[in-house]
Amino acid sequence: AQRVTQPEKLLSVFKGAPVELKCNYSYSGSPELFWYVQYSRQRLQLLLRHISRESIKGFTADLNKGETSFHLKKPFAQEEDSAMYYCALRRTGGFKTIFGAGTRLFVKA
Amino acid sequence: GAGVSQSPSNKVTEKGKDVELRCDPISGHTALYWYRQSLGQGLEFLIYFQGNSAPDKSGLPSDRFSAERTGGSVSTLTIQRTQQEDSAVYLCASSLQPGSYEQYFGPGTRLTVT
Repeated sequence: AQRVTQPEKLLSVFKGAPVELKCNYSYSGSPELFWYVQYSRQRLQLLLRHISRESIKGFTADLNKGETSFHLKKPFAQEEDSAMYYCALRRTGGFKTIFGAGTRLFVKA
Repeated sequence: GAGVSQSPSNKVTEKGKDVELRCDPISGHTALYWYRQSLGQGLEFLIYFQGNSAPDKSGLPSDRFSAERTGGSVSTLTIQRTQQEDSAVYLCASSLQPGSYEQYFGPGTRLTVT
């Protein structure tokens, strides 16, 4: 079965602390992995995808095929990082995207 | 330019009534997606349009749900004989082409069935 699991519904960290949002997936085949973010009163938007291997707003995510994980990391959290984060996957080049339940990140001053 | 728009932003309806939700994608985007987000859940894929065609309707929860797209642009999601479990936020997204990795989301329609 295709599934994306985000084990934490809420993650609270202090400003300046490292943050890791966990994502595990179950998929038979070669998936594309994504992180989407939704800031307060804003639309859901793409943050990053594993293929690009880029850092966006200081966030990075590495695809670990052995552990079937795609955790999102940032070394020093900022208050403006507070948002809802969704991990998602789809078949490479496909159209059906499967989302996790999301993790709400709260960065405290 | 304008992003994806959806209307209405909020809809309250009585159980058993039919509702129509509208999505206006970004101009020129050929792919359009509908998702449902129930309280505490992730986004659930409902249906995808490539132009005016829907190659995969398997995500629609029941035959009370239907969707169409006209002119390769506006899409309407119709829910007949609404039930309380239909209460959710319905999100629409569009992308330039089918298979494009970036989807642009609308603000959503919050549907409440009383």
